[in-house]
Amino acid sequence: EDKVVQSPLSLVVHEGDTVTLNCSYEVTNFRSLLWYKQEKKAPTFLFMLTSSGIEKKSGRLSSILDKKELFSILNITATQTGDSAIYLCAVSGAGSYQLTFGKGTKLSVIP
Amino acid sequence: DTGVSQDPRHKITKRGQNVTFRCDPISEHNRLYWYRQTLGQGPEFLTYFQNEAQLEKSRLLSDRFSAERPKGSFSTLEIQRTEQGDSAMYLCASSLGTSGSRNEQFFGPGTRLTVL
Repeated sequence: EDKVVQSPLSLVVHEGDTVTLNCSYEVTNFRSLLWYKQEKKAPTFLFMLTSSGIEKKSGRLSSILDKKELFSILNITATQTGDSAIYLCAVSGAGSYQLTFGKGTKLSVIP
Repeated sequence: DTGVSQDPRHKITKRGQNVTFRCDPISEHNRLYWYRQTLGQGPEFLTYFQNEAQLEKSRLLSDRFSAERPKGSFSTLEIQRTEQGDSAMYLCASSLGTSGSRNEQFFGPGTRLTVL
């Protein structure tokens, strides 16, 4: 059974701090790893990672995948209060398009 | 707005009643997914369609749950004889789904079900 473990489960930082969110996984025949941001509504897509060592970047957010060690990190630099949300990590395996999600990391950015 | 839409956004029902939710995917997407999310948990996969064919069903999907996508466009999820444990956010997602394509799934706003 596929499994995703995210850490920490919650995090409180001050505006301007840099944070690193962790995601480790077990999946049969890895296909992809996805990061989503969830505020008080449905998850919004951030990144999809399929290859090790290639950083994906969007503004202050970046993510990288290590397929050998089976983990990914999501970095957010110069955090803003608008970054407060739950960040979800999900994986899919070959032969299936379903996503298996972790419980998420709840990030709170205080002014 | 060309995103995934869901209706209704909220549903309150009494235990034992049947409920039906609708999902309209992004228009060019031929894969459609249903997930369920409870407080403090990530979304859990329920079922998935490629066009009108239901290709995967989770063990979570008891026989009280049924989903359809009759013309390969919108989908419905019906829960019969609702139980309090069915209270959750029901999320629909869609993805492009051509052969060899990536699997970014885009989520709708969800239907929040409360069973009294």
